[in-house]
Amino acid sequence: QKEVEQNSGPLSVPEGAIASLNCTYSDRGSQSFFWYRQYSGKSPELIMSIYSNGDKEDGRFTAQLNKASQYVSLLIRDSQPSDSATYLCAVVIQGAQKLVFGQGTRLTINP
Amino acid sequence: DTAVSQTPKYLVTQMGNDKSIKCEQNLGHDTMYWYKQDSKKFLKIMFSYNNKELIINETVPNRFSPKSPDKAHLNLHINSLELGDSAVYFCASSQTGDRGYTFGSGTRLTVV
Repeated sequence: QKEVEQNSGPLSVPEGAIASLNCTYSDRGSQSFFWYRQYSGKSPELIMSIYSNGDKEDGRFTAQLNKASQYVSLLIRDSQPSDSATYLCAVVIQGAQKLVFGQGTRLTINP
Repeated sequence: DTAVSQTPKYLVTQMGNDKSIKCEQNLGHDTMYWYKQDSKKFLKIMFSYNNKELIINETVPNRFSPKSPDKAHLNLHINSLELGDSAVYFCASSQTGDRGYTFGSGTRLTVV
């Protein structure tokens, strides 16, 4: 089982709609979860971090964490064409002290 | 000011050559990392150093040798380059207790 799993997509969403990205992880002891955005040819950019169960909102982005289900999600409201990118879910593996990434979900927002 | 800088940005070289990639961070972070991103965009950790001490050494061929002269610098030397080494290599840094990682702009290595 992969340590962090995402649906690789591509996910296509119309402009103005809500984009929903999902991620599951295998390490029950993990406490730190991140979403990175990566534009083509660029480096990963941290957009959200979440450490407690529930929702965390920052502007148009909402991260959701359910540790019992080992599930993290990212919602993007009022999607814009500039949101088109690959979104990477990342989890700190406790004990190993390393940040492990999922394979990324490619998101396209259609005008 | 660039927070995590890598050089060179692009590197094209022949099989069998030896090459180095340099990384510097000016964030005052105590931990630095090397990640490899393959053609399928999967980011995989290779090494991490905390205050010049090797912490993580994933299953990486010993042709890859990291070196950290101080906590602001982490270099990657690759011997006897192979076609399969072609990828984008990212340097990153973080501060213990602050759990976000900051990435450099990447080095695109092409082995021909």
